[in-house]
Amino acid sequence: AQSVAQPEDQVNVAEGNPLTVKCTYSVSGNPYLFWYVQYPNRGLQFLLKYITGDNLVKGSYGFEAEFNKSQTSFHLKKPSALVSDSALYFCAVRVSYGNNRLAFGKGNQVVVIP
Amino acid sequence: GAVVSQHPSWVICKSGTSVKIECRSLDFQATTMFWYRQFPKQSLMLMATSNEGSKATYEQGVEKDKFLINHASLTLSTLTVTSAHPEDSSFYICSARDGGTGGYEQYFGPGTRLTVT
Repeated sequence: AQSVAQPEDQVNVAEGNPLTVKCTYSVSGNPYLFWYVQYPNRGLQFLLKYITGDNLVKGSYGFEAEFNKSQTSFHLKKPSALVSDSALYFCAVRVSYGNNRLAFGKGNQVVVIP
Repeated sequence: GAVVSQHPSWVICKSGTSVKIECRSLDFQATTMFWYRQFPKQSLMLMATSNEGSKATYEQGVEKDKFLINHASLTLSTLTVTSAHPEDSSFYICSARDGGTGGYEQYFGPGTRLTVT
């Protein structure tokens, strides 16, 4: 079955330091991968996606993610974290072709310390 | 662009009553809409997928007679929680896929907090 895993529960990082949120995937065929962010009591906001092409994908708010086929990973990165980046981050993979259903990872709470 | 709204943002109802939640795509046509449920500090659980003009497809374990989904137009889907009970209290989030662009990402509404007393 198509799935993603986010191994960490919480990521703590000092403001200004690089931020990395990890995601690994398990799919048959080519993966369609996504990152979303959720602020408290809000829906999810789309950050970026990998469908095909360059392995380094740039998204919203200065985030980027690197698709690594050999390691089956799609880690989210930001060179310099802001306090406002503190939120819940979800990695997702497309699990059906017809209607593009997504399967989400468990989520990672990111805490950026001032 | 790609804005999805939900109404209401929060609702409190008494046990045994029904509650309707609306999900609208404001600036695009949503051929497919999804309904999720989220418990505190947990991931999203897909409840059902709805395509405009056809019956929703429910995930295993989701009671279709309890969670009625209607996708009557390309911009509106509704979720009705019938005979609500306290265990139905949760955060319900809808999302929509922009059928016009053929894009693969989903755009999410802000969510509806349902509390059943």
